[in-house]
Amino acid sequence: DGGITQSPKYLFRKEGQNVTLSCEQNLNHDAMYWYRQDPGQGLRLIYYSQIVNDFQKGDIAEGYSVSREKKESFPLTVTSAQKNPTAFYLCASTSGSGRAYEQFFGPGTRLTVL
Amino acid sequence: DQQVKQNSPSLSVQEGRISILNCDYTNSMFDYFLWYKKYPAEGPTFLISISSIKDKNEDGRFTVFLNKSAKHLSLHIVPSQPGDSAVYFCAASARGSTLGRLYFGRGTQLTVWP
Repeated sequence: DGGITQSPKYLFRKEGQNVTLSCEQNLNHDAMYWYRQDPGQGLRLIYYSQIVNDFQKGDIAEGYSVSREKKESFPLTVTSAQKNPTAFYLCASTSGSGRAYEQFFGPGTRLTVL
Repeated sequence: DQQVKQNSPSLSVQEGRISILNCDYTNSMFDYFLWYKKYPAEGPTFLISISSIKDKNEDGRFTVFLNKSAKHLSLHIVPSQPGDSAVYFCAASARGSTLGRLYFGRGTQLTVWP
Protein backbone atom coordinates (compact mmCIF):
# COMPACT_ATOMS: atom_id res chain seq x y z
CA ASP A 1 0.00 0.00 0.00
CA GLY A 2 1.25 3.45 -0.88
CA GLY A 3 1.41 6.01 1.85
CA ILE A 4 3.42 8.05 4.30
CA THR A 5 4.96 6.61 7.43
CA GLN A 6 6.20 8.55 10.41
CA SER A 7 8.14 7.14 13.28
CA PRO A 8 8.03 6.95 16.15
CA LYS A 9 4.40 7.60 17.08
CA TYR A 10 5.39 9.00 20.48
CA LEU A 11 8.73 10.51 21.37
CA PHE A 12 10.08 11.84 24.61
CA ARG A 13 13.18 13.91 24.93
CA LYS A 14 14.99 15.72 27.66
CA GLU A 15 15.35 19.44 27.41
CA GLY A 16 18.53 20.41 25.56
CA GLN A 17 18.65 17.31 23.35
CA ASN A 18 18.24 17.19 19.59
CA VAL A 19 15.81 14.66 18.19
CA THR A 20 15.07 13.49 14.64
CA LEU A 21 11.62 12.59 13.39
CA SER A 22 11.38 10.21 10.47
CA CYS A 23 9.13 10.63 7.41
CA GLU A 24 9.08 8.18 4.50
CA GLN A 25 6.74 8.06 1.50
CA ASN A 26 6.35 5.52 -1.29
CA LEU A 27 3.92 7.58 -3.35
CA ASN A 28 6.65 8.82 -5.69
CA HIS A 29 5.75 12.38 -4.72
CA ASP A 30 8.15 15.19 -5.46
CA ALA A 31 7.14 17.62 -2.73
CA MET A 32 7.21 16.95 1.01
CA TYR A 33 6.25 19.09 3.99
CA TRP A 34 6.57 19.27 7.75
CA TYR A 35 3.84 20.83 9.87
CA ARG A 36 3.42 21.39 13.53
CA GLN A 37 0.04 21.26 15.24
CA ASP A 38 -0.65 22.90 18.59
CA PRO A 39 -4.08 23.15 20.22
CA GLY A 40 -6.07 25.96 18.63
CA GLN A 41 -3.25 26.79 16.21
CA GLY A 42 -4.08 24.67 13.21
CA LEU A 43 -1.27 23.39 11.00
CA ARG A 44 1.80 25.58 10.74
CA LEU A 45 4.41 24.94 8.07
CA ILE A 46 7.94 24.30 9.29
CA TYR A 47 9.88 23.28 6.17
CA TYR A 48 9.12 22.04 2.69
CA SER A 49 11.00 20.46 -0.15
CA GLN A 50 10.05 20.40 -3.80
CA ILE A 51 12.90 18.24 -5.00
CA VAL A 52 15.81 16.17 -3.73
CA ASN A 53 18.65 18.19 -2.20
CA ASP A 54 16.53 21.31 -2.01
CA PHE A 55 14.30 22.65 0.76
CA GLN A 56 12.87 25.95 1.99
CA LYS A 57 11.86 27.40 5.32
CA GLY A 58 8.21 27.62 6.13
CA ASP A 59 6.56 29.98 8.57
CA ILE A 60 8.11 28.61 11.79
CA ALA A 61 11.50 27.15 10.82
CA GLU A 62 13.51 28.50 13.74
CA GLY A 63 14.93 25.69 15.86
CA TYR A 64 14.37 23.04 13.19
CA SER A 65 16.46 21.54 10.41
CA VAL A 66 15.75 19.11 7.56
CA SER A 67 17.48 17.16 4.82
CA ARG A 68 16.24 15.69 1.54
CA GLU A 69 18.87 13.25 0.30
CA LYS A 70 16.34 10.84 -1.16
CA LYS A 71 13.00 11.44 -2.82
CA GLU A 72 11.30 9.10 -0.37
CA SER A 73 12.66 10.57 2.84
CA PHE A 74 12.39 13.95 4.57
CA PRO A 75 13.59 13.75 8.20
CA LEU A 76 13.04 16.65 10.59
CA THR A 77 15.46 17.46 13.41
CA VAL A 78 14.13 19.36 16.37
CA THR A 79 17.13 21.10 17.87
CA SER A 80 17.72 22.37 21.38
CA ALA A 81 17.22 25.87 19.98
CA GLN A 82 13.49 25.25 19.55
CA LYS A 83 11.94 26.91 22.58
CA ASN A 84 8.64 25.06 22.69
CA PRO A 85 9.16 21.73 20.96
CA THR A 86 6.31 19.81 22.60
CA ALA A 87 3.74 19.39 19.82
CA PHE A 88 2.20 17.02 17.29
CA TYR A 89 4.31 16.86 14.11
CA LEU A 90 2.85 15.96 10.75
CA CYS A 91 4.61 15.09 7.52
CA ALA A 92 2.86 15.42 4.16
CA SER A 93 3.58 14.98 0.49
CA THR A 94 2.06 15.87 -2.84
CA SER A 95 2.67 15.03 -6.46
CA GLY A 96 2.01 18.60 -7.43
CA SER A 97 1.30 17.51 -10.97
CA GLY A 98 -1.26 19.59 -12.80
CA ARG A 99 -3.52 21.18 -10.23
CA ALA A 100 -3.22 18.33 -7.76
CA TYR A 101 -2.93 20.38 -4.60
CA GLU A 102 -4.07 17.59 -2.36
CA GLN A 103 -1.52 16.75 0.29
CA PHE A 104 -1.35 13.31 1.82
CA PHE A 105 -0.48 13.18 5.49
CA GLY A 106 1.30 10.70 7.67
CA PRO A 107 -0.08 9.56 11.05
CA GLY A 108 2.02 12.08 12.98
CA THR A 109 4.55 12.00 15.81
CA ARG A 110 3.75 13.34 19.26
CA LEU A 111 6.90 14.88 20.73
CA THR A 112 7.03 15.63 24.43
CA VAL A 113 9.93 17.43 26.06
CA LEU A 114 10.44 16.51 29.67
CA ASP B 1 -1.12 36.86 9.70
CA GLN B 2 -3.75 34.19 9.10
CA GLN B 3 -4.71 34.12 5.43
CA VAL B 4 -7.27 31.39 6.05
CA LYS B 5 -9.61 31.84 8.98
CA GLN B 6 -12.02 29.53 10.69
CA ASN B 7 -13.67 31.71 13.26
CA SER B 8 -15.69 29.03 14.99
CA PRO B 9 -13.46 26.75 17.05
CA SER B 10 -16.32 24.37 17.73
CA LEU B 11 -19.72 23.32 16.45
CA SER B 12 -22.22 20.93 18.01
CA VAL B 13 -24.98 19.35 15.91
CA GLN B 14 -27.57 16.67 16.48
CA GLU B 15 -27.34 13.49 14.42
CA GLY B 16 -29.35 13.73 11.20
CA ARG B 17 -29.20 17.53 11.06
CA ILE B 18 -27.05 19.68 8.81
CA SER B 19 -23.57 20.75 9.86
CA ILE B 20 -22.25 23.96 8.32
CA LEU B 21 -18.58 24.79 8.76
CA ASN B 22 -17.34 28.17 7.62
CA CYS B 23 -14.05 29.48 6.32
CA ASP B 24 -12.88 32.93 5.21
CA TYR B 25 -9.75 33.89 3.33
CA THR B 26 -7.94 37.12 2.64
CA ASN B 27 -5.61 36.34 -0.25
CA SER B 28 -7.29 37.02 -3.61
CA MET B 29 -4.66 34.85 -5.30
CA PHE B 30 -6.10 31.69 -3.73
CA ASP B 31 -7.74 29.63 -6.45
CA TYR B 32 -8.11 26.17 -4.97
CA PHE B 33 -9.67 25.22 -1.67
CA LEU B 34 -9.71 21.99 0.28
CA TRP B 35 -11.31 20.58 3.40
CA TYR B 36 -9.53 18.06 5.58
CA LYS B 37 -10.90 15.98 8.42
CA LYS B 38 -8.75 15.04 11.40
CA TYR B 39 -9.24 12.63 14.26
CA PRO B 40 -7.14 12.95 17.44
CA ALA B 41 -3.58 11.61 17.19
CA GLU B 42 -3.97 10.95 13.45
CA GLY B 43 -2.98 12.77 10.29
CA PRO B 44 -5.61 14.81 8.41
CA THR B 45 -7.40 13.13 5.54
CA PHE B 46 -8.64 14.88 2.43
CA LEU B 47 -12.38 15.33 2.29
CA ILE B 48 -13.43 17.53 -0.62
CA SER B 49 -12.08 20.39 -2.72
CA ILE B 50 -13.25 23.15 -5.02
CA SER B 51 -11.62 25.21 -7.72
CA SER B 52 -12.28 28.94 -7.94
CA ILE B 53 -13.95 28.46 -11.31
CA LYS B 54 -16.81 26.71 -9.55
CA ASP B 55 -19.16 27.78 -6.79
CA LYS B 56 -20.26 24.35 -5.62
CA ASN B 57 -18.91 20.85 -5.42
CA GLU B 58 -20.71 17.81 -4.04
CA ASP B 59 -19.51 14.42 -2.90
CA GLY B 60 -22.12 12.30 -1.20
CA ARG B 61 -23.12 13.91 2.08
CA PHE B 62 -20.52 16.65 1.70
CA THR B 63 -20.96 19.85 -0.29
CA VAL B 64 -18.59 22.78 -0.45
CA PHE B 65 -19.80 26.22 -1.50
CA LEU B 66 -17.51 29.02 -2.63
CA ASN B 67 -18.42 32.71 -2.65
CA LYS B 68 -15.46 34.43 -4.29
CA SER B 69 -16.78 37.96 -3.90
CA ALA B 70 -17.09 37.45 -0.16
CA LYS B 71 -13.91 35.35 0.03
CA HIS B 72 -15.90 32.77 1.92
CA LEU B 73 -16.43 29.05 1.65
CA SER B 74 -18.51 26.62 3.63
CA LEU B 75 -18.73 22.88 4.07
CA HIS B 76 -22.18 21.35 4.47
CA ILE B 77 -22.61 17.86 5.86
CA VAL B 78 -26.07 16.37 5.44
CA PRO B 79 -27.13 14.33 7.30
CA SER B 80 -24.58 14.57 10.07
CA GLN B 81 -23.48 11.34 11.69
CA PRO B 82 -21.63 10.69 14.97
CA GLY B 83 -18.65 9.41 12.96
CA ASP B 84 -18.32 12.90 11.49
CA SER B 85 -17.14 14.16 14.87
CA ALA B 86 -13.62 15.42 14.19
CA VAL B 87 -11.65 18.59 13.59
CA TYR B 88 -12.19 20.05 10.13
CA PHE B 89 -9.50 22.17 8.51
CA CYS B 90 -10.02 24.53 5.62
CA ALA B 91 -7.00 24.99 3.33
CA ALA B 92 -6.20 27.11 0.30
CA SER B 93 -3.62 27.24 -2.45
CA ALA B 94 -2.53 30.22 -4.53
CA ARG B 95 -2.17 30.49 -8.27
CA GLY B 96 1.47 30.06 -9.20
CA SER B 97 2.50 29.27 -5.64
CA THR B 98 5.21 26.96 -4.48
CA LEU B 99 4.49 23.40 -5.52
CA GLY B 100 1.44 22.34 -3.62
CA ARG B 101 1.85 24.75 -0.70
CA LEU B 102 -1.34 24.94 1.35
CA TYR B 103 -2.42 27.53 3.88
CA PHE B 104 -4.51 26.10 6.69
CA GLY B 105 -7.09 27.57 9.02
CA ARG B 106 -7.04 26.76 12.73
CA GLY B 107 -9.77 24.17 12.45
CA THR B 108 -13.31 23.67 13.75
CA GLN B 109 -14.12 20.85 16.16
CA LEU B 110 -17.39 19.28 15.05
CA THR B 111 -19.32 17.20 17.55
CA VAL B 112 -22.34 15.24 16.33
CA TRP B 113 -24.48 13.93 19.18
CA PRO B 114 -27.14 11.22 18.95
